[in-house]
Amino acid sequence: GEDVEQSLFLSVREGDSSVINCTYTDSSSTYLYWYKQEPGAGLQLLTYIFSNMDMKQDQRLTVLLNKKDKHLSLRIADTQTGDSAIYFCAESPNNNAGNMLTFGGGTRLMVKP
Amino acid sequence: DTEVTQTPKHLVMGMTNKKSLKCEQHMGHRAMYWYKQKAKKPPELMFVYSYEKLSINESVPSRFSPECPNSSLLNLHLHALQPEDSALYLCASSRSKGLNQPQHFGDGTRLSIL
Repeated sequence: GEDVEQSLFLSVREGDSSVINCTYTDSSSTYLYWYKQEPGAGLQLLTYIFSNMDMKQDQRLTVLLNKKDKHLSLRIADTQTGDSAIYFCAESPNNNAGNMLTFGGGTRLMVKP
Repeated sequence: DTEVTQTPKHLVMGMTNKKSLKCEQHMGHRAMYWYKQKAKKPPELMFVYSYEKLSINESVPSRFSPECPNSSLLNLHLHALQPEDSALYLCASSRSKGLNQPQHFGDGTRLSIL
């Protein structure tokens, strides 16, 4: 079955880098996503990576994918207080159901000034 | 700001009421989704519409009734809900149901059942 796991909580100081980790079990996953959810809001798509890539960079965000270990990470450089939120990783398995997402439990990032 | 708009933002209703949640997108997306999210949990998929046809129903109780009147609109009709149905209801859309089409979410409707 599909299972996506994340650590519950991460605390960093403003200006430091944050690294949020995610592991998944479905080796058929084709796309892996990172979403950000601020209090009282919906999910904001941050970035996504195709499974044949091992890295993707978008401004302050760097996604690393280790397909052998089924490990995904999101690095936020120069973390700001506005980055405080819950971050969900999600996988899209390669099955006949199409674009179905399996979410991790979410990592709450707290940025201290 | 999100390109998927949900109304209302908040809704309080009794167990005998009938109400509807609305979702609208003008990105030309042909797949639309309803999710339920409880506090401190990830979203759980409820329904998927593809080209205005119901594609997936994740064994949702019949007191939730989805409707897709056209390619831009998605409704969720509510009737005889239970207190445990209190949650954030999120709508999402994607260009299609294909694997490489990311889902874009609205800000949700926070529903409270008295």
